Amino acid sequence: QKEVEQDPGPLSVPEGAIVSLNCTYSNSAFQYFMWYRQYSRKGPELLMYTYSSGNKEDGRFTAQVDKSSKYISLFIRDSQPSDSATYLCAMNTGSQGNLIFGKGTKLSVKP
Amino acid sequence: EAQVTQNPRYLITVTGKKLTVTCSQNMNHEYMSWYRQDPGLGLRQIYYSMNVEVTDKGDVPEGYKVSRKEKRNFPLILESPSPNQTSLYFCASSSYRETAKNIQYFGAGTRLSVL
Repeated sequence: QKEVEQDPGPLSVPEGAIVSLNCTYSNSAFQYFMWYRQYSRKGPELLMYTYSSGNKEDGRFTAQVDKSSKYISLFIRDSQPSDSATYLCAMNTGSQGNLIFGKGTKLSVKP
Repeated sequence: EAQVTQNPRYLITVTGKKLTVTCSQNMNHEYMSWYRQDPGLGLRQIYYSMNVEVTDKGDVPEGYKVSRKEKRNFPLILESPSPNQTSLYFCASSSYRETAKNIQYFGAGTRLSVL
């Protein structure tokens, strides 16, 4: 079993839809969970991070972590065409450990 | 402006011809790292450096070398490139304040083709 699993998509939704992106992981020592957004021909940029379990909201974006299920989610409300990108989850143990990335989910929001 | 700068952005070369991809950051970050990104395989770490003169292998170090003589620079060296090193390469950096979380800031990428 890979350390971090992420459905690569592609995922296509109409503008205004609620989008749910997910990752599962196997290492129970992970404590920091991040979502990066990568536009075509660009480097990944940090979107959100959370520590341990719980929810974190930032505008139209909500990150959720369920450590008991080893499952993290990113919700995008009122999705916009500008949200079209690849979304990568990433996590680490917090002991100056390296980031472990999911393979990314490609999202397309159609006007 | 805080940034990670990679050069060149695009490179086409031939098998066996040594090349260097430069990476520079202006954020005084201690941690720097190189990744390659391939379709279906995601981001894979090649090498990383916790500080000047401290480097370590990532998941896919074969065929690559790095050096960290200055804090701001972390070049990636391909001594004898092969076609299987055709990929999109990213440099990233992070500060110790962030390293527990290891929030990394990425360059724009270098697309390398080895013929």
